[in-house]
Amino acid sequence: ETGVTQTPRHLVMGMTNKKSLKCEQHLGHNAMYWYKQSAKKPLELMFVYNFKEQTENNSVPSRFSPECPNSSHLFLHLHTLQPEDSALYLCASSQGVDRHSNQPQHFGDGTRLSIL
Amino acid sequence: ILNVEQSPQSLHVQEGDSTNFTCSFPSSNFYALHWYRWETAKSPEALFVMTLNGDEKKKGRISATLNTKEGYSYLYIKGSQPEDSATYLCAFRNNNFNKFYFGSGTKLNVKP
Repeated sequence: ETGVTQTPRHLVMGMTNKKSLKCEQHLGHNAMYWYKQSAKKPLELMFVYNFKEQTENNSVPSRFSPECPNSSHLFLHLHTLQPEDSALYLCASSQGVDRHSNQPQHFGDGTRLSIL
Repeated sequence: ILNVEQSPQSLHVQEGDSTNFTCSFPSSNFYALHWYRWETAKSPEALFVMTLNGDEKKKGRISATLNTKEGYSYLYIKGSQPEDSATYLCAFRNNNFNKFYFGSGTKLNVKP
């Protein structure tokens, strides 16, 4: 039990579909993150939310739309994805992102996304 | 674009061997260096958070050192066991607190 739960674990979708990835953390953290890992590439930060406010968008295409309704839940809405978007999407949480919050991130198991 | 390099990319050792690998990062605007262990089909698990130049941290048979002036950190595993087989990731955090920059990882395989 990692404290960070991601659903679904696997997702196959067509380029015209709309789907959402869900992340939930039970650790009382204030910051949540979306990462993308493509084959043979390092983990790439996509979005950061701190106290439900988006504080970082790492030049992510608009076909990825994050939503953070509260500090415990984070969604990634997917629409009109491309084959190159096939990857492992990891969610993480941490205590916070300010100067005084230098705690490690806690990761979920990820969603393996395949775009047909 | 900020470069975090890990070497070697992969490592095969025998059970009982000691091993070490490197994480290189920019030496300016340093804030913290994180190490994570990522087993196949599981989630990355935090090992260490290092913040001070000269820091040394230890967790069982695993230890890490930090040199912020020259921009590198070493991870050591003493007496490797098959259960140590995993990918070891480092993540650099600079003064832009929102961002973590990950290396590509070192994949360790320990043969019984």
